[in-house]
Amino acid sequence: QIQLVQSGAEVRKPGASVKVSCKTSGYTFTDYAMHWVRQAPGQRLEWLGWINAGTGNTKFSQKFEGRLSITRDTSANTAYLDLSSLTPEDTAIYYCSRDRNGLDNWGQGTLVTVSS
Amino acid sequence: EIVLTQSPATLSLSPGERATLSCRASQSVSTYLAWYQQKPGQAPRLLIYDASNRATGIPARFSGSGSGTDFTLTISSLEPEDFAVYYCQQYDSSPQTFGQGTKVEIE
Repeated sequence: QIQLVQSGAEVRKPGASVKVSCKTSGYTFTDYAMHWVRQAPGQRLEWLGWINAGTGNTKFSQKFEGRLSITRDTSANTAYLDLSSLTPEDTAIYYCSRDRNGLDNWGQGTLVTVSS
Repeated sequence: EIVLTQSPATLSLSPGERATLSCRASQSVSTYLAWYQQKPGQAPRLLIYDASNRATGIPARFSGSGSGTDFTLTISSLEPEDFAVYYCQQYDSSPQTFGQGTKVEIE
């Protein structure tokens, strides 16, 4: 079955960076785009960006331009989110999600806490 | 950026009742709209894509309708497992955006 397994919780200080991984199995990784979505405590879902896992092309929300990077390793069937210059407002659960007629499969989420 | 406004914020209903959830877009998104269900401590689950197509494995009691700026998610007869928060999402233009959610709670 299709699985997206994310890396574990992270704690960072303001100004630091964080990298979250999303390891996939059960489907051909390069056939689908992968999106990253986050959810701050008690808030709505927020879309960060996506990567075409086949070509590596990316698109980001302008809100995160300059401090967000999304990459993939096709040999490991894994996508990565890299967010820099963290502030407490970046504290959230970060999800990866496969794009197939909507976001049809999701990782379990990775809690990133930014605190001094 | 396209703003999605969901109503009502909370819907208090009993099992077996019909639930009607609304999502309004600040500009047309054609039919590029999806609905998700989220339960506490879980990732969202895709219910509907392209406004009216049920995702794989989603029961027939869930249906979606609408186009342009006005969309509806209907749950024909609520089951106990349907009490959750529901979000709409537009993917017509970047950035993709989500509504603020409608909580369906047990009355």
